[in-house]
Amino acid sequence: AQSVTQPDIHITVSEGASLELRCNYSYGATPYLFWYVQSPGQGLQLLLKYFSGDTLVQGIKGFEAEFKRSQSSFNLRKPSVHWSDAAEYFCAVALSLNQAGTALIFGKGTTLSVSS
Amino acid sequence: EPEVTQTPSHQVTQMGQEVILRCVPISNHLYFYWYRQILGQKVEFLVSFYNNEISEKSEIFDDQFSVERPDGSNFTLKIRSTKLEDSAMYFCASSGGGSAFFGQGTRLTVV
Repeated sequence: AQSVTQPDIHITVSEGASLELRCNYSYGATPYLFWYVQSPGQGLQLLLKYFSGDTLVQGIKGFEAEFKRSQSSFNLRKPSVHWSDAAEYFCAVALSLNQAGTALIFGKGTTLSVSS
Repeated sequence: EPEVTQTPSHQVTQMGQEVILRCVPISNHLYFYWYRQILGQKVEFLVSFYNNEISEKSEIFDDQFSVERPDGSNFTLKIRSTKLEDSAMYFCASSGGGSAFFGQGTRLTVV
């Protein structure tokens, strides 16, 4: 069955430290990959996406993610975390964006806390 | 910047009542979605809608739920005879065939 796994439920990093959030997927083919962020009481905001091409993609707020086909992973990184990055982060995949109404499948999320 | 708008932001309803959650997708998008997030749990897909019909739905989306695009701008989710376990944040999303953009959500509380 198709699945998205975010192994870390909760991560705490110090402000200014680097961050890596893990995401693994289970599909037969390469899916379309996304990272969304949800701040407390807010909706989901798209951070970045991977469709094809360069496996290192840049997003908003200084985030980047790297697609590794051999590991079925799409890990999110940021070199220096700011206190405002504290939020819930969701990895999501879609099998196809050409078929009408293809759903996004979300991981369970990783809660990021930032300590001073 | 275009955005998906959801109303109301918070709705409280009594068990057994019907509720309608409203969404205004981004104007040139063709694909519309509803997702649900129960407190502390992951975001779950409910239904997708394209060309005025449901194109995909999850096991959660049973006969209690229905969706409609009553006019050129609104996209609604109706929940009949609400249950306590329907309490959740409901997110509407739209896409133009690329990334999905989400609204801020409607928090539904069933008492």
